[in-house]
Amino acid sequence: GQQVMQIPQYQHVQEGEDFTTYCNSSTTLSNIQWYKQRPGGHPVFLIQLVKSGEVKKQKRLTFQFGEAKKNSSLHITATQTTDVGTYFCAGPGDGNKLVFGAGTILRVKS
Amino acid sequence: KAGVTQTPRYLIKTRGQQVTLSCSPISGHRSVSWYQQTPGQGLQFLFEYFSETQRNKGNFPGRFSGRQFSNSRSEMNVSTLELGDSALYLCASNPAENTGELFFGEGSRLTVL
Repeated sequence: GQQVMQIPQYQHVQEGEDFTTYCNSSTTLSNIQWYKQRPGGHPVFLIQLVKSGEVKKQKRLTFQFGEAKKNSSLHITATQTTDVGTYFCAGPGDGNKLVFGAGTILRVKS
Repeated sequence: KAGVTQTPRYLIKTRGQQVTLSCSPISGHRSVSWYQQTPGQGLQFLFEYFSETQRNKGNFPGRFSGRQFSNSRSEMNVSTLELGDSALYLCASNPAENTGELFFGEGSRLTVL
């Protein structure tokens, strides 16, 4: 079945540094979604990308969808302690169920 | 608008017992999905219900089952609990029939002793 791979598994950055997580799918995706889960919390939807090569920004967060619609990235500029959490990408799998990547855990040192 | 509500939030069971978890989706949402989250396996899809019908099922043994009621509320049941079933069980609702933004509940944290 369809697999969504995410790297890195874990990243520890100094506050103010940038952060990027990458997502790769074994198949072409109709769309890709990104979620954030704070420690002890539940996943919260951030964004959905649909078009090939699409780039969307939310304040310090920049999301990209690859030209082949098989990869995506989330970049955070100048991280803050509020960015701490696990970032998941997710894409439609068999039967249209949402398949999640393993997530990237972000820790920020102040 | 109230969010997705899951009960109970925490529970402890022993091996061999069974457990039922409940999920009330956001009003008007007809699709409910269940995920199991563990530190080693991430978010694993269990099943999805839409209008009382199971539309998708993940790769879990038959001990895991679920259902959806006419008011869109959903329950999942795990029978003959094993230690490895300890996890956070997340319910998510979606207003549409197609894959779109999922609205997650706080989860039910199950510990099996």
